[in-house]
Amino acid sequence: VLTQSPGTLSLSPGERATLSCRASQSVARDYLAWFQKKPGQAPRLLISGASSRATDIPDRFSGGGSGTDFTLSINRLEPEDFAVYYCQQYATSPLTFGGGTRVEIK
Amino acid sequence: QVQLQESGPALVKPSETLSLTCTVSGGSMSNYYLGWFRQPPGKGLEWIGYIEKRGPTIYNPSLKNRAIISADTSKSQFSLKMSSVTAADTAVYYCAGGWGWLVDYWGQGTLVTVSS
Repeated sequence: VLTQSPGTLSLSPGERATLSCRASQSVARDYLAWFQKKPGQAPRLLISGASSRATDIPDRFSGGGSGTDFTLSINRLEPEDFAVYYCQQYATSPLTFGGGTRVEIK
Repeated sequence: QVQLQESGPALVKPSETLSLTCTVSGGSMSNYYLGWFRQPPGKGLEWIGYIEKRGPTIYNPSLKNRAIISADTSKSQFSLKMSSVTAADTAVYYCAGGWGWLVDYWGQGTLVTVSS
């Protein structure tokens, strides 16, 4: 089970967001991804392997952590960053997602 | 660049079988793990299953053996069939693919409503 916190983060553009994803057991090989989800759009891969940015993802997005505790940080929030963020483990079946963190404009 | 596009009925009656097809372009299906995910309205993402490069399939046990994924490489398509649907199966369904279990490519998604 992946537990994300907080459920909602209210921030202003330019601020830093820190999102947490905690796994009930260690994620093998740190196969932990972060996705951004906006209404009406497909999920967008941001981070894989806990800390590797996907192609064309701005460097204000960074991932960290290992084992059971992972974080996604977004430096200097841009207007387009307000969305829901999901962590996902892809190490073992069933693949599972966290419940999501909504980053909203304060 | 691989592109995926879902197609299928937007409305399915309770107890019937949901059928969706994903058409793959821009790459060979045999290079990828291909699968399905869904997101019920107002809820989070859920993995349904994958068909792996040489044909084995793997499913989310939460679906209680209701889902079947198959592929037709001659048409560059793979499909999802989900039996005995209920209102709880109402969701946006996404087809997806990647070099492994990590999704690199997503379809746009298609809303399927289960209702009489």
